[in-house]
Amino acid sequence: GAVVSQHPSRVICKSGTSVKIECRSLDFQATTMFWYRQFPKQSLMLMATSNEGSKATYEQGVEKDKFLINHASLTLSTLTVTSAHPEDSSFYICSALLGPNTEAFFGQGTRLTVV
Amino acid sequence: AQSVTQLGSHVSVSEGALVLLRCNYSSSVPPYLFWYVQYPNQGLQLLLKYTTGATLVKGINGFEAEFKKSETSFHLTKPSAHMSDAAEYFCAVSDTGGYQKVTFGTGTKLQVIP
Repeated sequence: GAVVSQHPSRVICKSGTSVKIECRSLDFQATTMFWYRQFPKQSLMLMATSNEGSKATYEQGVEKDKFLINHASLTLSTLTVTSAHPEDSSFYICSALLGPNTEAFFGQGTRLTVV
Repeated sequence: AQSVTQLGSHVSVSEGALVLLRCNYSSSVPPYLFWYVQYPNQGLQLLLKYTTGATLVKGINGFEAEFKKSETSFHLTKPSAHMSDAAEYFCAVSDTGGYQKVTFGTGTKLQVIP
């Protein structure tokens, strides 16, 4: 099946610094990728939809200046958490669509801890 | 608006016993329904999906789910649990007719007792 790789799997950063998380589709081109956030004991919440070559579409309540998304190629989308704070500590997971009416394939997630 | 409720954040079954993970949804239009499994430190893997047609859907690893519109349910079952089934399971719904806007439940962690 299609493989989506997310890097890093775990990251610890100091408060006030920025962290970049990469999401790559390894064996297919993904015009659309999604970014989710999952707090402990809560559901995955969609943060934004990333389309190659255009600006990401953010869900209501998600700060686009804080969570910068770049989808520069058909195989790579990045999420940068800027000026991270402890409340940004969470599990971030991406997914990519193989095609417009196909299932989404998920990365393994990134555990971000801000200290 | 769409939403998903998974009853029971933790479910324990004995090896060989029936697995039943409950999922109820709300949707303003005919939904797409999904079950995903997540093993530790791995991404989500699609177990099965319902879009249209037959209401009993068979997935991978012996799992199946039945779409019951009257009960707004999509419960996941497996006749006989294996140790390898221990994982977290997420029910999800999309009412946009596709895979774009998927809303996930809070997940159910399945423990299989030898």
